[in-house]
Amino acid sequence: EVQLVESGGGLVQPGGSLRLSCAASGFTFSTYWMSWVRQAPGKGLEWVANIKQNGSEKYYVDSVKGRFSISRDNAKNSLYLQMNSLRAEDTAVYYCARDLRGYCSGGSCYNFFDPWGQGTLVTVSS
Amino acid sequence: DIQMTQSPSTLSASAGDRVTITCRASQSISRWLAWYQQKPGKAPKLLIYKASTLGSGVPPSFSGSGSGTEFTLTISSLQPDDFATYYCQQYNTYPLTFGGGTKVEIK
Repeated sequence: EVQLVESGGGLVQPGGSLRLSCAASGFTFSTYWMSWVRQAPGKGLEWVANIKQNGSEKYYVDSVKGRFSISRDNAKNSLYLQMNSLRAEDTAVYYCARDLRGYCSGGSCYNFFDPWGQGTLVTVSS
Repeated sequence: DIQMTQSPSTLSASAGDRVTITCRASQSISRWLAWYQQKPGKAPKLLIYKASTLGSGVPPSFSGSGSGTEFTLTISSLQPDDFATYYCQQYNTYPLTFGGGTKVEIK
């Protein structure tokens, strides 16, 4: 069974840092792009970042560029999101998701998501 | 960025009803569109990709159509388990973007 389990969420002060982890099992992790998607309380879904199989390509939504960094360790079947300079508007449930290949063009791939983890809540507040 | 607009934002329906949700893209995305279902406190679940291809294990009561800028998700006969929030997502261009969601509630 494909499973994604996030951890590392919690309460952090504005300007602080947090590192999220996602443990993958039930599939060959190293052969898939992976993403982080977040959902603010009572709001819709927002894609945050994704990373290619070997880590050589990474994409971010503008609102987190320069503050968040996505990475992976294929030997540990794990995905990470390092979040720095956190703001109140970063408060959300953060989901780890496996990317499924939509299409690839010009060396980049554009994906949809299946499955998703259960999420981990990040609260940025003083 | 490509803006995805869903309508309606809320839909009241009864079990057995046929339900249609619309998703419009701010520019053409060909057929690079996915639909997800989310229940309260749970992670989203993939329903449809490439505008009309059913995800694994998704019942045939769900169907998708459209191309370019206008897409629809149809539930042919609403079941109790289908009351949830539905999101569309484009994967034509970065950043990948979602619609605002459509909540299907019991009438």
